[in-house]
Amino acid sequence: AQSVTQLGSHVSVSEGALVLLRCNYSSSVPPYLFWYVQYPNQGLQLLLKYTSAATLVKGINGFEAEFKKSETSFHLTKPSAHMSDAAEYFCAVSGNFNKFYFGSGTKLNVKP
Amino acid sequence: KAGVTQTPRYLIKTRGQQVTLSCSPISGHRSVSWYQQTPGQGLQFLFEYFSETQRNKGNFPGRFSGRQFSNSRSEMNVSTLELGDSALYLCASSLDVTEGELFFGEGSRLTVL
Repeated sequence: AQSVTQLGSHVSVSEGALVLLRCNYSSSVPPYLFWYVQYPNQGLQLLLKYTSAATLVKGINGFEAEFKKSETSFHLTKPSAHMSDAAEYFCAVSGNFNKFYFGSGTKLNVKP
Repeated sequence: KAGVTQTPRYLIKTRGQQVTLSCSPISGHRSVSWYQQTPGQGLQFLFEYFSETQRNKGNFPGRFSGRQFSNSRSEMNVSTLELGDSALYLCASSLDVTEGELFFGEGSRLTVL
């Protein structure tokens, strides 16, 4: 069975600071992992995905994530936060027939 | 390329009524999934359709139903609405490949009074 745990429902950083959003997964098979972002009153937009081609995955808007099998983690990072990064971020693992298992989400607040 | 289109974007209903939400997937995508998003429960999977067949279903009561048409457009229906059905309903389409991602619409926000 697949599942995802996101540590920290709210994360607050200063503009220009490092962003680190944590995600741990559980999967009985090699996982396909995803990070999505959601802005208020909008749907989810794909940031990046891991499909086993490379453990360090680069996404849009300067975000990247590293797949660590030994730690069952797929944390999302960005070296320097921007005010426009304020949003809610979801980690997900895919299952059979396009059923995705989403984490509970992390709201990122960026302080000026 | 047009994205996933959901209609209506906002709607208000009263308890006991029924509602139908519509989703047009990205051209060429034959898989359509539906999710319910609420502050308390997060994103919960409702069901997935592929080529007019429901392949997967989440843990929702029978009041929640869906269908897919031959052009891959999908609808979901909620009958006998309850206050707890107030949520953002998200539709997502995808190519039917193992590593494929979901492409989401902007959602239909349902308020039940």
